[in-house]
Parts: sequence; structure tokens; C-alpha cells
Amino acid sequence: AQTVTQSQPEMSVQEAETVTLSCTYDTSESNYYLFWYKQPPSRQMILVIRQEAYKQQNATENRFSVNFQKAAKSFSLKISDSQLGDTAMYFCAFMNGSSNTGKLIFGQGTTLQVKP
Amino acid sequence: KAGVTQTPRYLIKTRGQQVTLSCSPISGHRSVSWYQQTPGQGLQFLFEYFSETQRNKGNFPGRFSGRQFSNSRSEMNVSTLELGDSALYLCASGRGSENTEAFFGQGTRLTVV
Repeated sequence: AQTVTQSQPEMSVQEAETVTLSCTYDTSESNYYLFWYKQPPSRQMILVIRQEAYKQQNATENRFSVNFQKAAKSFSLKISDSQLGDTAMYFCAFMNGSSNTGKLIFGQGTTLQVKP
Repeated sequence: KAGVTQTPRYLIKTRGQQVTLSCSPISGHRSVSWYQQTPGQGLQFLFEYFSETQRNKGNFPGRFSGRQFSNSRSEMNVSTLELGDSALYLCASGRGSENTEAFFGQGTRLTVV
């Protein structure tokens, strides 16, 4: 069975600084996808970034980038130039690419507060 | 392009009642997944539908059921509500035959009193 672990329940960062959120996962699958979702106080779950396991290149979306270490089963999210609007709960998630059912397995989440 | 639409946004029910939640996926998407989010258990997968068929089911009691219609809209039903069913229920939309990402609706906040 796959598991996703986020070891940082809460983090804070000053506006304009950089912060890294950690995530580790466990799987025996070779075909899978990893995601970071953001959930602001509105509760809308927003897809931040997606990584395909078979791609060695780390995914990047504007100020958001990941450090994907496949052998270590680590998938951290780096937020550069943090903005007040980045304040939210962040979830790391795993999807088995072989099952095609779209089932996501989530970590427990990290609450990020960006301070002015 | 419209996003994932969940209705209603908020719901208050009494123990023992039943409830039906609705989810309309992104146009063209044929897969709908449901998740329960609680402070204690986090986000847990309920089930997933594709082309009106349930393809996968999480570890929830039979009181939780769902269905999908030919237009890909999905409903989730919870019967004999318990206090512990109070949660945010999230619906996610996917392309279908090869799901490689999921897009979420705003959720339905269910409170059981």
C-alpha cells in the first residue's frame, strides 16, 4: 500500500523569502504521479504542481518548484518569493499511474503562514 | 471553461437522516472521485466513477454510496447519518480513461447534529 508523509504540521515564512515543504512517500510502483495541492481558507483544493515519476527533470510552475528524489522517495515543494496569498494548507499527494482510477493518497498536510 | 461544481455548499442534517451531494465535473471529463476531509482523518478517498461505473472504492461503510449519470455528473449518498459523518466532502474531476491529474470542486460542508 502507498503512503504519503508530511512531517511538518506547521511552517511560517516572511513575505518575499523562500520556504521548502517536505514530503516523503512509499510505493513499490514504478509508474506514478506526485502532486502538491494548496487549500486556502476558502477550502478550494488547488493544484499547484505535478510531477511524473518517469521524468527526471523537476517540475516548475512560476514561483513553485519541486525537488524530486526518486530513490529517496522524497518530493519537496519550494516556494520562492513568498506572498501573503500563499498562506494555506499544502497537501502532498500520490497517484498510481497504473490503475488509471485517479485515486489520490494524501499526506496530512502542512499549514503555511506567510507573514508580512 | 467551467470548473468542478459541487452543490450544495453547506448542509445541516440530523442524525439518522440521509443526504445526497452532487458534483458536476469539468466539461469533457468523465471521471469523478469523492473524498472526505476531517480534521482527525485528513483526506480520505471514498470512491471513483468512470462512465457510470464504480472503478475503485475506499474503506468506508456501505452507508456511503454513489452513482454517475450519462452526462458524467455524480451524486454521493450517505444514509443513516452519524455525527462522525460531519466533514467537508470534496469531488474531483479527471479526464477518464487515463487519469493523471485531478481538479477539485469547492466542496460541500456537511454538519450532522
